[in-house]
Amino acid sequence: DQQVKQNSPSLSVQEGRISILNCDYTNSMFDYFLWYKKYPAEGPTFLISISSIKDKNEDGRFTVFLNKSAKHLSLHIVPSQPGDSAVYFCAASTSGTYKYIFGTGTRLKVLA
Amino acid sequence: SQTIHQWPATLVQPVGSPLSLECTVEGTSNPNLYWYRQAAGRGLQLLFYSVGIGQISSEVPQNLSASRPQDRQFILSSKKLLLSDSGFYLCAWNGWGLGGDTQYFGPGTRLTVL
Repeated sequence: DQQVKQNSPSLSVQEGRISILNCDYTNSMFDYFLWYKKYPAEGPTFLISISSIKDKNEDGRFTVFLNKSAKHLSLHIVPSQPGDSAVYFCAASTSGTYKYIFGTGTRLKVLA
Repeated sequence: SQTIHQWPATLVQPVGSPLSLECTVEGTSNPNLYWYRQAAGRGLQLLFYSVGIGQISSEVPQNLSASRPQDRQFILSSKKLLLSDSGFYLCAWNGWGLGGDTQYFGPGTRLTVL
């Protein structure tokens, strides 16, 4: 049972435009969400997180939006840059469980 | 600052051979430690996590095992590798990032079972 889903395996965006990566979850107990970026043959790098008490968190070019009623979160990258080309994973956790559930990832390609 | 090490970086092993992957963390004490696997075209699958020395929780039944002999050392093992064990193995630890717990990952080990 995939509790965290990233239904788009890939996404291509022109440089300078907005990239929107989506993530859906099924477990209503999740209260903390994270986004990671991963290059081939490297470990994922933390990008941004959001607690369920918020609906938006922003850090530079990266913004994460959380819609609890829809059990949906998204990562916006503005403006997109070629160096953003990577696989992006969303992850979810429930406080006190010590466990993080990851989605299957979305491969973003930013075209110059 | 905290650092997480994994070795080896790459490994090619025959089916049926044993496995030992090591992960160590520097710059923190009593971290929660995790082993994940990324199989080809798949997401990150949580295999094991540990909240303390000798404490191991298994998430997926398989022929792998984990041990935590020291506070900052986490080992992934197998007695007999299967072809399906091929993948990219990642160790991670929990740190406190902006807004809450954040998992920080090591560089990974690419395991190919032939």
